[in-house]
Amino acid sequence: DAEITQSPRHKITETGRQVTLACHQTWNHNNMFWYRQDLGHGLRLIHYSYGVQDTNKGEVSDGYSVSRSNTEDLPLTLESAASSQTSVYFCASSESIGGGPNTGELFFGEGSRLTVL
Amino acid sequence: AQSVSQHNHHVILSEAASLELGCNYSYGGTVNLFWYVQYPGQHLQLLLKYFSGDPLVKGIKGFEAEFIKSKFSFNLRKPSVQWSDTAEYFCAVNAPGAGSYQLTFGKGTKLSVIP
Repeated sequence: DAEITQSPRHKITETGRQVTLACHQTWNHNNMFWYRQDLGHGLRLIHYSYGVQDTNKGEVSDGYSVSRSNTEDLPLTLESAASSQTSVYFCASSESIGGGPNTGELFFGEGSRLTVL
Repeated sequence: AQSVSQHNHHVILSEAASLELGCNYSYGGTVNLFWYVQYPGQHLQLLLKYFSGDPLVKGIKGFEAEFIKSKFSFNLRKPSVQWSDTAEYFCAVNAPGAGSYQLTFGKGTKLSVIP
């Protein structure tokens, strides 16, 4: 079965360290997304990609970066982790509707819980 | 950019009670609408979606939602809730008519069902 996997599932790091969260999907979806989930804020979009070599900033992109070198993977990097980035991170993917970037249903990974001390 | 408002932060119901969770969005053009559910400790799963056609959409586990364009609303309903419906529910929208293809989520409504 196709799936979307995230790693690590849990990570504790220190302020200032670089952290990379991996996301791998076997749906062959063009669209991939990173969200963070925080109490009282719901899900907020960090970065997204509509295809290989395409990346875009979302609502809360400061301090984060992504790269898309193939269809399956969209790693999220925190260049210098801050306590404000303690959160649960969800990766998601979707197919396009009508051949364009209009995204259909999102399929979510299990989430990565990051704690920055 | 479009926005989504979910009116209730936390709803507490007894089993067999009826449920209605409110969702309003801000964009007046063509939208796609979604309801997702997140059970405790799990990732989000799709409950139902509306792209076009019949404004009354039926989803999994007995849930349904009605798209009312004049009210910019997409409320979620279930006639009789069960303890297993305890979860957080998220409304989401994208607005392809505005060139906005990624989903914007509401802040969520936590539902607690008391046996």
